[in-house]
Amino acid sequence: GAVVSQHPSRVICKSGTSVKIECRSLDFQATTMFWYRQFPKQSLMLMATSNEGSKATYEQGVEKDKFLINHASLTLSTLTVTSAHPEDSSFYICSAASGMATEAFFGQGTRLTVV
Amino acid sequence: RKEVEQDPGPFNVPEGATVAFNCTYSNSASQSFFWYRQDCRKEPKLLMSVYSSGNEDGRFTAQLNRASQYISLLIRDSKLSDSATYLCVVKTGANNLFFGTGTRLTVIP
Repeated sequence: GAVVSQHPSRVICKSGTSVKIECRSLDFQATTMFWYRQFPKQSLMLMATSNEGSKATYEQGVEKDKFLINHASLTLSTLTVTSAHPEDSSFYICSAASGMATEAFFGQGTRLTVV
Repeated sequence: RKEVEQDPGPFNVPEGATVAFNCTYSNSASQSFFWYRQDCRKEPKLLMSVYSSGNEDGRFTAQLNRASQYISLLIRDSKLSDSATYLCVVKTGANNLFFGTGTRLTVIP
C-alpha cells in the first residue's frame, strides 16, 4: 500500500519555541492532506485540511496563526506549532489522500511534549 | 449533527465472543466507507473497506446499509490481539474524509 512518512516521531521542546512536523507521501501524489491531534484516550480531532497549492482549511477552534500548515507540493505538507505551550503536548498525525485513491494513508504520528 | 457518529464504548468482551460495532453517517451522497484500527499510541491503519454487498475478511465482516445510512463491523471469535480502537471512516466527494470518534474494544482473557 501507499506510504506516508511523518517526521519526527517524537519531539520534546521548550515552551515558547516552534516545532515543525513533516508529512511526506512517498509513492503517490497527495492532493489533500489532513492534520489531526489526539490527546490520550481520546479520538482523532481534525485540525485542518490542506490541498496542494492552496491555503489550509482549519476546523473551528483551531488557531491558524498558531498551527501553520504548508502544502507546497504534492508530496509534502508541514505543520508548524508556533510558540508551543505545554497544553499543545499531544500526538499529531497526518494523513494523505489523492483523487485516485479512495482510502487515506496515515503517517506514523509525532508525539510532541512541550516542557 | 456530526457527519459520522459512533458509539465510543468501551466494549469489554471475553475471548471468543462475537462483538459488533455500528456507525451512522449523515450524508447520503457518501461514496466510500472504511474501518480503521488504531492501537494505543499508534497511527490508524486500514482494517477493511466496506462494500455495498458486504464483505468478509477472516473473522471480520463489514456491512453497509445505505437506506439506513450505517455501516457495521462484526468480529467473531475475539482474540486478545483484537483489543484496539476501531474507527469508521466515510468518504464524501473527492477527498472529504470524516472519522467517527472510535470505539474502544478490550478483549478479556
